[in-house]
Amino acid sequence: NAGVTQTPKFRILKIGQSMTLQCAQDMNHNYMYWYRQDPGMGLKLIYYSVGAGITDKGEVPNGYNVSRSTTEDFPLRLELAAPSQTSVYFCASSPVGRNTDTQYFGPGTRLTVL
Amino acid sequence: AQRVTQPEKLLSVFKGAPVELKCNYSYSGSPELFWYVQYSRQRLQLLLRHISRESIKGFTADLNKGETSFHLKKPFAQEEDSAMYYCALRRAGGTSYGKLTFGQGTILTVHP
Repeated sequence: NAGVTQTPKFRILKIGQSMTLQCAQDMNHNYMYWYRQDPGMGLKLIYYSVGAGITDKGEVPNGYNVSRSTTEDFPLRLELAAPSQTSVYFCASSPVGRNTDTQYFGPGTRLTVL
Repeated sequence: AQRVTQPEKLLSVFKGAPVELKCNYSYSGSPELFWYVQYSRQRLQLLLRHISRESIKGFTADLNKGETSFHLKKPFAQEEDSAMYYCALRRAGGTSYGKLTFGQGTILTVHP
């Protein structure tokens, strides 16, 4: 199993550009999450999904959109990138049931907006 | 709303010394607490959870509901313990959908 994969690893965007951060998992997990990690701020939940076709906002959703058309994929879309979106983005997944407390993380995408 | 506070951004100890990473939380309901760790060039991963009452890599953490704390302790630190540590909270119950609230993180450095 590859676990949770994210692409790209690094990206530099200009203000106003758009991009999609890709996330995929091969563990058949129902729950998936997007976080951003800022220095000294910890991880903040952007969006989450409890299954294909079902998504909901987290703590910091402004400026982002998500979709979940399959169990495996959970892309994060940035529209009109702003310098405040410079961060490291982590995707995670977890199973439903007894082991829901274990989230499996991807390697992260480091995004810089200039 | 819940909140998790890790008061120390940086913590340095020498090998063999005891280490304690502090975590305090605020939540009016019944919380579930976790410690996650990120070693250099590795992914964030679960270290331990309060429900399990287990010791992982020599680390333990006890949930103190009176003091609303979940400090992580190890009696003898090792160099390989150097990493970023995150304390995290989850609401008990199925409607949490596994969502975690993370603290700000503590970078632990263990010197030889």
